[in-house]
Amino acid sequence: DIQMTQSPSTLSASVGDRVTMTCRASQSLSIWLAWYQQRPGKAPKLLIYKASTLESGVPSRFSGSGSGTEFTLTISSLQPDDFATYYCQQYNTYPLPFGQGTRLEIK
Amino acid sequence: QVQLVQSGAEVKKPGASVKVSCKTSGYTFINYALHWVRQAPGQRLEWVGMIITGNGNIKYSQKFQTRVTITRDTSASTAYMELSSLRSEDTAMYYCARDHDAGSHELDYWGQGTLVTVSS
Repeated sequence: DIQMTQSPSTLSASVGDRVTMTCRASQSLSIWLAWYQQRPGKAPKLLIYKASTLESGVPSRFSGSGSGTEFTLTISSLQPDDFATYYCQQYNTYPLPFGQGTRLEIK
Repeated sequence: QVQLVQSGAEVKKPGASVKVSCKTSGYTFINYALHWVRQAPGQRLEWVGMIITGNGNIKYSQKFQTRVTITRDTSASTAYMELSSLRSEDTAMYYCARDHDAGSHELDYWGQGTLVTVSS
């Protein structure tokens, strides 16, 4: 099975900062990777799919890049609503695991 | 609008089974696969399995292969996940979620979650 590893586990930042988080896969995914945002007590929300395609309605400050085994999610200018946990998920081959998450907290 | 509405919270004893439903509306049920994802308290999201609603084909995570059954009722636009031989580690929020595009497994619509508590 493919293993997904996210880093860092926790990221401290301030409103207005630019932040980047990473997701690594144990095997090549091509571009079959999605990013989700999850706020406490809520279902995940799709942000990015096919590694770099922005889901409809998601602000353009979110962007994704990468292919193969290394991927990044960047938020260009943090807003108060962005403090949440972010998960990557591969969907190249079954099963479809998630990473362990990156918790974005206010510095 | 697309909606996925799950059944209510459950409390079960160890060794019992639980069946969670996911009633969909606002789109053509058989055109999009449905997935089940769970999240134990403070833990990562964990993919349980999926059903291709058009033909009934199923994929399970090997971790749950022997204990989980995913089914669907096309006439009711509803999917079900049954988990048997429950243990305390199965205490989690269980979500259903829909494929974003036919055959492409990014998940764009999610149910509200069903909390399953396993306790003696």
